[in-house]
Amino acid sequence: DSGVTQTPKHLITATGQRVTLRCSPRSGDLSVYWYQQSLDQGLQFLIQYYNGEERAKGNILERFSAQQFPDLHSELNLSSLELGDSALYFCASSETTGKNTIYFGEGSWLTVV
Amino acid sequence: AQTVTQSQPEMSVQEAETVTLSCTYDTSESNYYLFWYKQPPSRQMILVIRQEAYKQQNATENRFSVNFQKAAKSFSLKISDSQLGDTAMYFCAFMNPQVNNDMRFGAGTRLTVKP
Repeated sequence: DSGVTQTPKHLITATGQRVTLRCSPRSGDLSVYWYQQSLDQGLQFLIQYYNGEERAKGNILERFSAQQFPDLHSELNLSSLELGDSALYFCASSETTGKNTIYFGEGSWLTVV
Repeated sequence: AQTVTQSQPEMSVQEAETVTLSCTYDTSESNYYLFWYKQPPSRQMILVIRQEAYKQQNATENRFSVNFQKAAKSFSLKISDSQLGDTAMYFCAFMNPQVNNDMRFGAGTRLTVKP
């Protein structure tokens, strides 16, 4: 158990809909990352937050948005969903001092039908 | 932005043998961290090993060790005494602490351990 909690674990929704994925980082971690992994693909970096502020943005679509709240949990909002958005969405968090290692949650499986 | 390249999309090895997975990266930074993550069929991302760029000594974790060549920007993973449970995707990753711990991954190498 990495200590990073993601909900829901599985989600099936229809095209055009909107979903929210939630992430609770490890206790004390200030950085949260979101990654997308499509079937048999690598990890695509979406966005990073540090203590509530956006710090880096990757290949995140305009239909997607994220935020990190004062309690450090983060949400990834996916709207106007398309079939191609079906993927495993990972949240990860990292230590801010010390070993600078990121730890992954178990991911949220999103299936768009 | 830093890039990470894994040139071997797929590899296989016989059980109990040794295999080496390659990774190269591109950066102008001198201080950074490198990682290998394992993703078994369950799709969970598991940290295998990490290396700090300022340390010359290669990291080891039981049967896993790295060959870190800073000048060549190379970071290979050696798995000794391969086991069936080592079958997984392996991702090499680069972290830049100068840029808020920006972390990027290679495309991955699918390793199959054969009995």
